[in-house]
Order: sequence, then structure tokens, then C-alpha cells
Amino acid sequence: QVQLVESGGGLVKPGGSLTVSCTASGFNFRDNYMNWIRQAPGKGLEWIACIGGSPNTIFYADSVKGRFTVSRDNAQKSVFLQMNSLGADDTSVYFCANSPYGDFFDSWGQGILVTVSS
Amino acid sequence: QVLLTQPPSASASLGASVRLTCTLSSGLSDFGIAWYQQQPKKVPRYLMNVNSDGSHDRGDGIPDRFSGSAFGAERYLTISSLQSEDEAVYYCQTWGTGSGAWVFGGGTKLTVL
Repeated sequence: QVQLVESGGGLVKPGGSLTVSCTASGFNFRDNYMNWIRQAPGKGLEWIACIGGSPNTIFYADSVKGRFTVSRDNAQKSVFLQMNSLGADDTSVYFCANSPYGDFFDSWGQGILVTVSS
Repeated sequence: QVLLTQPPSASASLGASVRLTCTLSSGLSDFGIAWYQQQPKKVPRYLMNVNSDGSHDRGDGIPDRFSGSAFGAERYLTISSLQSEDEAVYYCQTWGTGSGAWVFGGGTKLTVL
């Protein structure tokens, strides 16, 4: 069955950087759009980044554009989110999710907590 | 900008039915949406997508107690025969135009009485 496992979260100081990863199994990774969605404590869901199968198909939410970089390694069936210039409002659980057609998010990982605090 | 509006809360009795609403912003009445369920302290789960004509496709393993419909700019999720485990926050989500933006509504917290 589909499995998405995030890793790499933790505590980082304001202005710092962190990279979170998501490893996939159970579906045709290469043909899926892969997304990062976050949820601040007690808040709703916010889509932040998407990467398609081709190298130039990358989209970001305005809230992270210029600070976050999404990438993927199809051979390793993994997607990455490099986060720079982190601020307190980036504190969230970060989920990865696959999207077979680039519209809805079919399966989700368990999420990984990123806390930005001094 | 694509906006989705959801009432913050709803409630219904055990065994009853409830209809949750997601309203697309002006000019977007042709857009389809997806519905997700997030039970307390759980990961969001994809329920279905609902097209502008009201047709819908449930995700794998989603019971037919969950159904979708549409009217104009409104998209609906109807849950029948409510069970205690249906108590959750329900989010709608759509996907944008060439900007590639994906947007969530604010969520509706459903309480099963």
C-alpha cells in the first residue's frame, strides 16, 4: 500500500535552515506530483510546495517563495524541502502528500514537526 | 486569488445526516474541489473530489455514507448515518489556474451529538 514517511524535523533557531525529507513506496513515484503541506499548531492546512515529474514543474505558495526549495530524487523515491530563513510562523507539522494528477492530495505522510524557536 | 469559505463549525446527532458546505470565491463556479477529513490528532485523509456538475469520486475505502454534490459556487459533503468517528475537521481544497496554486478552506469542525 501507499506509504509516505517524513523525516528530518526538529528544533531550529529563527533565521536558521532545515531540510525535511519524505520517502515514498507503494505507488509509481515518478509519475506523481509531490507536495508539501503544513499545519501550524491548532490551525488549518496550508499547501506550500509542489514538484511534478519534470524538473521545471515546481510551484510555491507566496508564504515560502524565495525561502523554501523543493526537490525530488526519483531513483530514491524521495522528495525534499529545504527551508531557509525560518521564522516562528514556520512552526508547523509538515506533511508530504502525493497527487497523481496535480489536483487533489491522495495519500499523506504522518507528518513531521518543525519548531522554530530560540 | 482562489478562496474557499467554510463555516467554522457544524453539529448533528448520531445516526442523522449532515451537509457541509464549501463556497468558491466569485468567478470560480466551474472549479472542482476535494474534501478531506482530519480526525483529532490524525493525519488528513482524502475523501472525494466533487466536480462542478455535482459528480463525485470517492477515495479508496471511503464508505458510501459520504457523498458529494454541487450547486453554483457551492460544493457539498453529505455524511449520512453519522457515527461518533465522523467527528472531525473537514477541509475542502481546490487547485488553481496557471499559477499552480492549491488552496484549502479554513475547515469545518463537525461535532456528533
